[in-house]
Amino acid sequence: SQTIHQWPATLVQPVGSPLSLECTVEGTSNPNLYWYRQAAGRGLQLLFYSVGIGQISSEVPQNLSASRPQDRQFILSSKKLLLSDSGFYLCAWSTPSGLTDTQYFGPGTRLTVL
Amino acid sequence: EDQVTQSPEALRLQEGESSSLNCSYTVSGLRGLFWYRQDPGKGPEFLFTLYSAGEEKEKERLKATLTKKESFLHITAPKPEDSATYLCAVGRGSYIPTFGRGTSLIVHP
Repeated sequence: SQTIHQWPATLVQPVGSPLSLECTVEGTSNPNLYWYRQAAGRGLQLLFYSVGIGQISSEVPQNLSASRPQDRQFILSSKKLLLSDSGFYLCAWSTPSGLTDTQYFGPGTRLTVL
Repeated sequence: EDQVTQSPEALRLQEGESSSLNCSYTVSGLRGLFWYRQDPGKGPEFLFTLYSAGEEKEKERLKATLTKKESFLHITAPKPEDSATYLCAVGRGSYIPTFGRGTSLIVHP
């Protein structure tokens, strides 16, 4: 069966510090991978998605970036965090066929920027 | 542009009081409609995918139905542990589903 991991679970960082969040998927090959942000009381905001190694599409221009160094690894980064980067970050995967877009989510990372 | 609207935004029920959550959608070429459950501080948990109008799926006290314009998540005799936010999303095979804002359900004992 497939499993998706995210770490860390919680993170408190000062403004201007760098960020690295990691997501890995087990039990499937060549998944589509996604990074979402969920602000309190708001919906899911898609940040990045990837359909293959080295292929990253950005949905929202901002100070965040994503990378996919391995087939089942997806990393969200920032060089300098802003207060507005606080939120709940979710990684998700879907099957490579993309026929139905059913997504499966990880446990999330709660990021607080102070 | 694909759109998903969920109603109500919040719903309070007494234990055992059955009700339905609504998900209205506009999408060109629906490939799937998805329901998720999200507990506070956790990632959304996949519940169902519905593929075509008339389809129904059940899981414990939950039953999802689909028409050409909307989906309902029926909750029969809910328990306090059913309290969560329920998210609806639609996909058309573009890799990126469109999510609604969710319905927050609280079931009082």
